[in-house]
Parts: sequence; C-alpha cells; structure tokens
Amino acid sequence: KNQVEQSPQSLIILEGKNCTLQCNYTVSPFSNLRWYKQDTGRGPVSLTIMTFSENTKSNGRYTATLDADTKQSSLHITASQLSDSASYICVVSPASGTYKYIFGTGTRLKVLA
Amino acid sequence: GAGVSQSPSNKVTEKGKDVELRCDPISGHTALYWYRQSLGQGLEFLIYFQGNSAPDKSGLPSDRFSAERTGGSVSTLTIQRTQQEDSAVYLCASSSGARGTEQFFGPGTRLTVL
Repeated sequence: KNQVEQSPQSLIILEGKNCTLQCNYTVSPFSNLRWYKQDTGRGPVSLTIMTFSENTKSNGRYTATLDADTKQSSLHITASQLSDSASYICVVSPASGTYKYIFGTGTRLKVLA
Repeated sequence: GAGVSQSPSNKVTEKGKDVELRCDPISGHTALYWYRQSLGQGLEFLIYFQGNSAPDKSGLPSDRFSAERTGGSVSTLTIQRTQQEDSAVYLCASSSGARGTEQFFGPGTRLTVL
C-alpha cells in the first residue's frame, strides 16, 4: 500500500471550471508536503509546500490545504485553463532534513476547451 | 545553466545492451538525485549524491544499475544488460544541498527496452 495515495487517478473538466485533487498519506513523522505539476514530457515543478503547522498555501490559481490530523491534503484549481492539463503529484517529506521524498502516483488532469 | 538538463531525451535500446543517461544539474547545486518513473507509479528514488560524500545507493534496484558524478557536477546513470522492465522515464533532480531543500527536476530520459 502506497504511503501517499491520490485521487482521482484522472479527471477531465471544461476550461473555466474549478476542481479539487485529493492526497491522503500515512507517512509519519511528517515534515512537509509539496504539490508538483508535471507537464507531459517534462520534469515535475513545485507548486506549493506546506509544513505540518500550515493549513493552506496559495500560488496563483492553485490553493493547497493540509489537515495534519487526518493526514489529508487537497489542491484546488480555480478557473482552470488549458495549460493546467498535466499530472499533479503529492509529495511528502517524512522527517525534517531528509531528501527521501515519498511520491504519490499523481492525478492526471485534462482541461478541455 | 538555467535548469537541470538531461540527455538523451529518448533512448530506444535492445534487451541486453548497456545504456548511459546523462544529467547536468543546476550550476552550484551540490546535491543530485536520480529517480525512476514507471507508468502508473510514483517516482522511485534511485541514488543521491551530496558534494564529496559517499552516495546513497540504497534505491538502486539491482547491480546492473550504477551512477557516478564527476567533479561534483555532471552525473551519469548506467544500466547494464538492460531488461524490458527497465523501460521507464529516468528523472534527475538537483538541489542547493541542504537536506530538505527543494529539488529541481530535469525533463527526464524516456528509456524503452525492446
């Protein structure tokens, strides 16, 4: 069983609509949680990072939330654009100062015109 | 350079052949990582280099896999006697060195073993 699970596996929405992606993790102890965007054929790019004491972090139209008690995070995308079509990966750092991130399998988002 | 670069972008090889994948990290980054991304799987840690320290090779899946980093900059991941299950995207990342700092990823090399 993955320590970082994401849902849905894939999602199709119309341009301009909002969507929310989910990440549940069992990693403990927990240091921080990142959301990455990975365009097709490219490497992942960091969108947000939250420590266990943070509840929300925004980056433009992307807003990430974190509930460290329930070990859940979400990424909300507002007013989606065609360029938002990508995979979104939830990544957990299990302890302060570690380089061994634990990666979710990602949610593949497709935004249609 | 402006970002992490990797070459080749695509590699098709026959089973049993050896392949070398190259990574150029961001200038000044002392830490370098290799990951494997198989279809439908999360990124799998392979190896970590930090400065002149001995690398953490704990993620290498078999002794057919090896990596080196010359002069603290460019890194090469070598896969010997490739197998079909080695087909994946191999991603390289670098960071400024302090543990836990953000990793910046290259575009990856897509390896296909026929």
